[in-house]
Amino acid sequence: AQSVTQLDSHVSVSEGTPVLLRCNYSSSYSPSLFWYVQHPNKGLQLLLKYTSAATLVKGINGFEAEFKKSETSFHLTKPSAHMSDAAEYFCVVSDRPGGGNKLTFGTGTQLKVEL
Amino acid sequence: EAGVAQSPRYKIIEKRQSVAFWCNPISGHATLYWYQQILGQGPKLLIQFQNNGVVDDSQLPKDRFSAERLKGVDSTLKIQPAKLEDSAVYLCASSRGQGQIYEQYFGPGTRLTVT
Repeated sequence: AQSVTQLDSHVSVSEGTPVLLRCNYSSSYSPSLFWYVQHPNKGLQLLLKYTSAATLVKGINGFEAEFKKSETSFHLTKPSAHMSDAAEYFCVVSDRPGGGNKLTFGTGTQLKVEL
Repeated sequence: EAGVAQSPRYKIIEKRQSVAFWCNPISGHATLYWYQQILGQGPKLLIQFQNNGVVDDSQLPKDRFSAERLKGVDSTLKIQPAKLEDSAVYLCASSRGQGQIYEQYFGPGTRLTVT
């Protein structure tokens, strides 16, 4: 069975400071991992994905995440927060054996960016 | 290209009533998904279609929920009769195929309130 745990339900940062959103995963197989962002009244948007290639993954809008198998972690970071980054972020795992892409979402982290 | 379309955007019904949601996926996308997102939680997969066939409906409450994708394009999700705990956002997503390399694109969702 696959699952993800997002360690913080809310994160608040000041504009221009680094962002760290933490995620730990559990998987019986070699997982693919994703981060999605959800702005109010908008659809979920893929930020980045890891699919067993480079462990440091770069995504859109300056976000990146590092896959650490020894720590079963896939934390999302950004060097400098912008007001437009305020949204809910979901860590997602997919490990359906034999392929397929059943996504299992975490409970989300609400990111607040203050002036 | 146009994104995933869903309607209605909002729906309020009383318990024991029935309701239907409609989804139009991105043109050419063979795989279609319905997710349920309860407030404060991540989306949970209800059902996955490949063309007009069901791939996974293991988490669909089949005593009250039904879904179809008759011509392999549009899809409808129905709840009959609705319960209070069905209050949630219902998300539709589509992808070109089933494999993990295929990104899922999400619609804006339908927010259902059951009173």
